[in-house]
Order: sequence, then C-alpha cells, then structure tokens
Amino acid sequence: GNSVTQMEGPVTLSEEAFLTINCTYTATGYPSLFWYVQYPGEGLQLLLKATKADDKGSNKGFEATYRKETTSFHLEKGSVQVSDSAVYFCALSDTRYGGSQGNLIFGKGTKLSVKP
Amino acid sequence: EAQVTQNPRYLITVTGKKLTVTCSQNMNHEYMSWYRQDPGLGLRQIYYSMNVEVTDKGDVPEGYKVSRKEKRNFPLILESPSPNQTSLYFCASSFRGHGGDTQYFGPGTRLTVL
Repeated sequence: GNSVTQMEGPVTLSEEAFLTINCTYTATGYPSLFWYVQYPGEGLQLLLKATKADDKGSNKGFEATYRKETTSFHLEKGSVQVSDSAVYFCALSDTRYGGSQGNLIFGKGTKLSVKP
Repeated sequence: EAQVTQNPRYLITVTGKKLTVTCSQNMNHEYMSWYRQDPGLGLRQIYYSMNVEVTDKGDVPEGYKVSRKEKRNFPLILESPSPNQTSLYFCASSFRGHGGDTQYFGPGTRLTVL
C-alpha cells in the first residue's frame, strides 16, 4: 500500500546550518507530494508541494524535488533559523483507489530544533 | 480571513460520555477531513467528505461518526469515547479533494478520555 518514510528525529542544528530531512515513499500511480510544517501549539500548514516527477517545490528558503526514480522528496534548506524550529511532515496524496485523491498519507514527522 | 476552526480546543471527558467536536471552514471547500495525531504514528485519517451528504471512512474510522449536512461544517462524533481515543484531532479542508490540492488545517482539539 501507499506509505511515507521520513527520517526520525529529533534533529538539532545550529543557526545557519544546512538542513536535510529525508523522505521516501511507496505508492502506486502518480501521487502528489507535500511537506507540511507544524509550529508548536498550531495546526499543520503547507510548506511546499510537487505534483509531478521532477517538479521542485520551494517556499521560505526550503526546497524539495520530486524524484520518481528514487521515490524520494527530501526537504532542504541552506541556512536554518531559530524560527524554523517545528515538526515537519512529508505526505503523499492517496492513489490506492485510482487516480490521485485528496486523502493524505503522512510520515511520522521530524522534529527540528534550531539553536542560536 | 480564510480559516478552519475547531471547537473545543481542549476537552477532558470520561469513558462513554458522548461528545462532538465541531469543524467549520469559510473557504467554500468541497472536501473536508478528520485526522488524529498520535506520538510516533504521525497523522492518520479518520473520515473524509467529498461534498455535502458524501462521507467515507479513512484509515482509522472505528469508534467515530461524522455528518456533512452543510458544506461548511463537518462535525466529528464520538458516541461512546474510550481511553484509546485520547489524541490530538485535526480537521482539514481543500477545494475539490483532488490529489494536488492544498489542505488547510484547523488548530487542533486535544481530547483526553479518562
């Protein structure tokens, strides 16, 4: 079935360090891929997405490229800030019942802490 | 302001006492969904709705009910809550429920069942 595997945290970095959070997926068909971010005490909000192979999603200095050949969608940022401290979720749109549907399948989340 | 609202934000109850968590969106979205978030498990979908009067089970529907009588509202009903339903619940909505649609999440409801 469809599933998402992302690196376990927590991840602790110093300010201005380079960030990579790995995400790989298993899916039939052609899912859309997402990164959502959850700041402390808040709901999830979309960080970036990619809807087809080789697409690059980007937002707020974060980037991720949809790699169908490696079934990956790794999140990267060149220089993290304290304000980036949050939990990051990789997700894909469900394709179990044909097509690409709005139902999301999430990874378990990676907690990022950035120290000044 | 475009948003998804949930009430209550925090709830402590006892086993077997029926409760309803409300969800409302003001974006005229067709698709709405409920998730629960548990440590080490991420988010798992409980129920979803593609439009008014159209609902379907997600991955963990046992012990929950939903209804969609109006486009903007999608309440989650626990008829007889049990301690294993202690969790953080999120409502979400999107425009049409298509694979590439962005989902907008509410702030969450933290439920404790004693």
